[in-house]
Amino acid sequence: GAVVSQHPSRVICKSGTSVKIECRSLDFQATTMFWYRQFPKQSLMLMATSNEGSKATYEQGVEKDKFLINHASLTLSTLTVTSAHPEDSSFYICSAMASGGNTQYFGPGTRLTVL
Amino acid sequence: GESVGLHLPTLSVQEGDNSIINCAYSNSASDYFIWYKQESGKGPQFIIDIRSNMDKRQGQRVTVLLNKTVKHLSLQIAATQPGDSAVYFCAENPGGFKTIFGAGTRLFVKA
Repeated sequence: GAVVSQHPSRVICKSGTSVKIECRSLDFQATTMFWYRQFPKQSLMLMATSNEGSKATYEQGVEKDKFLINHASLTLSTLTVTSAHPEDSSFYICSAMASGGNTQYFGPGTRLTVL
Repeated sequence: GESVGLHLPTLSVQEGDNSIINCAYSNSASDYFIWYKQESGKGPQFIIDIRSNMDKRQGQRVTVLLNKTVKHLSLQIAATQPGDSAVYFCAENPGGFKTIFGAGTRLFVKA
């Protein structure tokens, strides 16, 4: 149980384009999902908290207009990196918290490379 | 972000030995702690958790110890195996939904 998937697992795009990453909780409903970014050999840095049916809460220093988050259902949250630049290249990981619980279950991550 | 990116400390152990990975957490208000294992190119995997009303919790081959006085958390892995090689993160929950990750420790298991 408690499986979280992400799609795509890898994406390469040109500078200036937008990329959408999906995060799905496969066998449970997630009121809250989280988006993290991880640079090589570093820890996970929380970007935003995504709540179903409401606006995401962004961490300080994260541009909400650049990283668009939509949590339209209890099993799906999307992160769109708009006008991507090479410095946006990173490993993006989502996690989902089951309704009523406090353990986060992580997706397998998405490797974004912006050329 | 709230976690600090640093070069990962590394722990190297011989296969079959016990491993102890340490973590200092930052917020004295944190009441829930989790250890995650992250293999290369994958997302973190839940290992074990502990609440602040406990000082020890055991799982299968793993034990977490919590010392609230000095804000210290440790993960003990018994009879370490090559498959245990990964980066291990401690994480704290200071209330609400947010989880704060530590810097991580890379564990190398030598065969």
